[in-house]
Amino acid sequence: KAGVTQTPRYLIKTRGQQVTLSCSPISGHRSVSWYQQTPGQGLQFLFEYFSETQRNKGNFPGRFSGRQFSNSRSEMNVSTLELGDSALYLCASSLAGSEGMGQYFGPGTRLTVT
Amino acid sequence: QKEVEQNSGPLSVPEGAIASLNCTYSDRGSQSFFWYRQYSGKSPELIMFIYSNGDKEDGRFTAQLNKASQYVSLLIRDSQPSDSATYLCAVSNQFYFGTGTSLTVIP
Repeated sequence: KAGVTQTPRYLIKTRGQQVTLSCSPISGHRSVSWYQQTPGQGLQFLFEYFSETQRNKGNFPGRFSGRQFSNSRSEMNVSTLELGDSALYLCASSLAGSEGMGQYFGPGTRLTVT
Repeated sequence: QKEVEQNSGPLSVPEGAIASLNCTYSDRGSQSFFWYRQYSGKSPELIMFIYSNGDKEDGRFTAQLNKASQYVSLLIRDSQPSDSATYLCAVSNQFYFGTGTSLTVIP
């Protein structure tokens, strides 16, 4: 099976712009979670989507949003970018949901905000 | 109190030794526990999960769970330089990860 894919892999944006990141889960996986990883804060949970519905949400401002499509692919959007949004954004997929199942991470999108 | 806590290290062990990584958690209702390995510049990779008290072995890796004391540990036997990475612990819904323990295996 193909693994989790994320596009683009690298992105450079300017403060104030918006960005959309894409994630394609492993075939058959219905849960997709998004994380932000920075050296200082570690892996921070953004949100989880399951069957096109946001099921869980972390403590990020409303500038961070996401959605999931019927084929389980997911997108994450960040509006009005700030310098502090520079990070590695990871998505992870799992079979039926988070509890009790392992997550499989994509390679990540490295976002740099200048 | 953080939900999941790990000693950030760094932890250094000589090649062939046993590396012991520990994680404590705050939610007594947690039912499942996961260890991920993250190489520098790469994304996390699931290496083990454990649901029941006691030990679970997989090759050179052993996960140990003690729900009464609310800790889970990962032992790596016969450590190899290729085991040098950051090890992340996650519990239950897995949304909250520890900050990770950096392990270096010295040849």
